[in-house]
Amino acid sequence: AQSVTQLGSHVSVSEGALVLLRCNYSSSVPPYLFWYVQYPNQGLQLLLKYTTGATLVKGINGFEAEFKKSETSFHLTKPSAHMSDAAEYFCAVSDREDDKIIFGKGTRLHILP
Amino acid sequence: DAGVTQSPTHLIKTRGQQVTLRCSPKSGHDTVSWYQQALGQGPQFIFQYYEEEERQRGNFPDRFSGHQFPNYSSELNVNALLLGDSALYLCASSLTGDSPYNEQFFGPGTRLTVL
Repeated sequence: AQSVTQLGSHVSVSEGALVLLRCNYSSSVPPYLFWYVQYPNQGLQLLLKYTTGATLVKGINGFEAEFKKSETSFHLTKPSAHMSDAAEYFCAVSDREDDKIIFGKGTRLHILP
Repeated sequence: DAGVTQSPTHLIKTRGQQVTLRCSPKSGHDTVSWYQQALGQGPQFIFQYYEEEERQRGNFPDRFSGHQFPNYSSELNVNALLLGDSALYLCASSLTGDSPYNEQFFGPGTRLTVL
């Protein structure tokens, strides 16, 4: 069965500092991997996805993530945090056999001025 | 393009009642998935509808049922509401096609409170 583990339910970084949100997955087959962002009282917005090909994936708002099969990881990074990045971030995995998405429990990112 | 729309935005019900939530998919999409997001948790897959039939189902009891209409819109019904059903219910639409990956687009959700 597929699963996603996000390390740290809350992460705080200073404005301008590196953002690193950690995600490890478990899947018996090569998965599709995603990062979603959720702002308060809103739905989910796709930041980036890995389906095939290049393992370093660039997304919106300056975020990127690297698929590391050997480490079963898909960590999300951004070189310089902005106040507008404060939100809840979800790592997710999907089986290539179906469209069901399995989400992690989320990491709330706090940006310190 | 209006994207995925859901109604109502908020809903308050009491235990034992029944509720119906509605979802209109993004233009051109034919598949609708429903997710439950409890407070402080990630979304959990409830079920997916395609061609007016339930194609996949997550680990949710039979109190949760759905329907898809010929215009691809969908309803989520929950019977005999429990306090634990309080959550944000998210609808996602996608296009089932030849591509192995069908991106899901999420609506803003319906916030259900059960008292």
